[in-house]
This record gives sequence, C-alpha cells and structure tokens, in this order.
Amino acid sequence: GPKVLQIPSHQIIDMGQMVTLNCDPVSNHLYFYWYKQILGQQMEFLVNFYNGKVMEKSKLFKDQFSVERPDGSYFTLKIQPTALEDSAVYFCASSFGRRSGNTLYFGEGSRLIVV
Amino acid sequence: GDSVTQTEGQVALSEEDFLTIHCNYSASGYPTLFWYVQYPGEGPQLLFRASRDKEKGSSRGFEATYDKGTTSFHLRKASVQESDSAVYYCALSDGGTGANTGKLTFGHGTILRVHP
Repeated sequence: GPKVLQIPSHQIIDMGQMVTLNCDPVSNHLYFYWYKQILGQQMEFLVNFYNGKVMEKSKLFKDQFSVERPDGSYFTLKIQPTALEDSAVYFCASSFGRRSGNTLYFGEGSRLIVV
Repeated sequence: GDSVTQTEGQVALSEEDFLTIHCNYSASGYPTLFWYVQYPGEGPQLLFRASRDKEKGSSRGFEATYDKGTTSFHLRKASVQESDSAVYYCALSDGGTGANTGKLTFGHGTILRVHP
C-alpha cells in the first residue's frame, strides 16, 4: 500500500534542545497529520495541515511545536525547546482528501527520547 | 467532541477461537468508521472502513458492520491465528466536510494475543 516515510526512526535529545522530525508523505496526498503515542497508550491527534496552513490543532500541540512543508518537501514537526514530557513516538500520516471516507496512511513513527 | 470507546483493553485467545472487540462511538453528524491494526514497531495500518449505516467492512477474515442505531462498529473474526496478535484500534473520521478537518479520533486500542 501507500508508504509514508519518517526520518529519524529514533532520536535521543537533551531537554531544552530543538528537534525536527521529518515526514515524506504519499506523493499525491494533500493533507498531512501528526499524532503522538506515549508507550502503551492510544494515538493522540496533534495537528493537521493543508495548503501550507494548520487546519486544526489539539491542546497537546503546545506553543513549542510548529509544523511546515516548505516547497513541497518534507512535512516537518519541530519542537523547540523540548521537555521531558515530549518523549513519545510521533507518527506522521497523510491522506488524499478529507471528504467522507478520508483514509489516513501512517508512517512507522519517530521515537523521541528527551533526557 | 467526538469519541471512541473500546471496551476490551486486552484479549487473550487460542488459535481458531472467535474474536469480538467492542467499539462504540459518539459523534455529531455521520462519521466514517475505521479499524486499524498496529504491529510492534510499526504505524497503524488500515484494516477496513465503513461509511454508511449497515455497511459491512471486511479484510483478512475480520469484519465489522456500521450500526448507527447502537452507534457501534464491533470487530469480529471467526477463527483467529497467532499472526493476528497486534493492537487493534477503532477510529472515526469527521469526514472533513464543512468545518470538520478530517482528522481521525482513535479509541484506546485493544491488545490481542493469540496463543498457538
């Protein structure tokens, strides 16, 4: 099926530093999403993005978070500065359209450990 | 807001047992309902979806029927295999029409362990 690629797969970072998580979505998809999953817990929506703009963000999407997709390249999630509670697996997803039946395709996740 | 409730947190079965994982939802409007499966170290993969009342989704022997009356989308499989061991998520999409943005809202997930 369609593949979403995420880089890096793992990253360990000192608290307070900046981290950028990269996502290469499915090539003809137009809508992009980030989800957060703390170990053993459910998938939680962070943000979605379309046409260069954030469409919706949850209360988990703190002021230290930002997303962008410059010039159709990677869709990125930046956290600056990082905090201990940001340790989680971050999943990127993309979809072709957001009409009824919108199906999201997920990457394999970026495991972030903040120490 | 929208929500999805999965009753079972963990299910342990033997091969060839019958599986049921209960899913109920709460949403305004007419959501699309999904079952996703997640294997260790991977992202969730779509199992199947259903968009209309009484529509049955199915894949790999798993099935669920959209029931608007009881707001349910229970996952069933007649005979599970060890390879079915994974985490199963029920989810809904607000469909992205009007002011909705098409995001998925997930249930807490059900860990399925199938023993040989």
